[in-house]
Amino acid sequence: RKEVEQDPGPFNVPEGATVAFNCTYSNSASQSFFWYRQDCRKEPKLLMSVYSSGNEDGRFTAQLNRASQYISLLIRDSKLSDSATYLCVVIGVRDTGRRALTFGSGTRLQVQP
Amino acid sequence: ETGVTQSPTHLIKTRGQQVTLRCSSQSGHNTVSWYQQALGQGPQFIFQYYREEENGRGNFPPRFSGLQFPNYSSELNVNALELDDSALYLCASSPPDLPDSYEQYFGPGTRLTVT
Repeated sequence: RKEVEQDPGPFNVPEGATVAFNCTYSNSASQSFFWYRQDCRKEPKLLMSVYSSGNEDGRFTAQLNRASQYISLLIRDSKLSDSATYLCVVIGVRDTGRRALTFGSGTRLQVQP
Repeated sequence: ETGVTQSPTHLIKTRGQQVTLRCSSQSGHNTVSWYQQALGQGPQFIFQYYREEENGRGNFPPRFSGLQFPNYSSELNVNALELDDSALYLCASSPPDLPDSYEQYFGPGTRLTVT
């Protein structure tokens, strides 16, 4: 089982739709969680951090569910410019005691006019 | 953009050769991480350097090695290149001593092709 798993998609949604992605992680000791956005042939860019209490930034809401070991990203009122790959990131501590950061493979979103 | 620069932009090497990739972090950032991103995959964590010391490592063999300099710029060295090493190599820098937030700012990457 992969440490961090995401549905690769693509999710094809019309403009204005609400879309949600989940990301599951296997290490219950994971410490920090983030969503990044990556446009085609570009570098990833931080979208938002994820907290147990939830985190909202405009049309984007991120949530962490530690009991079920997943994080989610909800996008409301989708725009064409939201089309990208969304990567979830989990930070944990390995057996060596050193921190390690794991990206999911990404979920591709395509917003249609 | 992010202020993180990488060189070269593209590189073609032959199997068995060695390669050095370079990264200049954003001003004031003392943590640099390196990632390998194969086509259609998420970035895979190679290692991280904090104040010139390795601070974490992913599941990469020892032929992947790194260095961080006093000005916090960094190098990634890969020996005995294999075809599977063909990928986009990303460098990311982080603000100093920011507990738990771990924001990372990525450079544009170096696309390495091994033939």
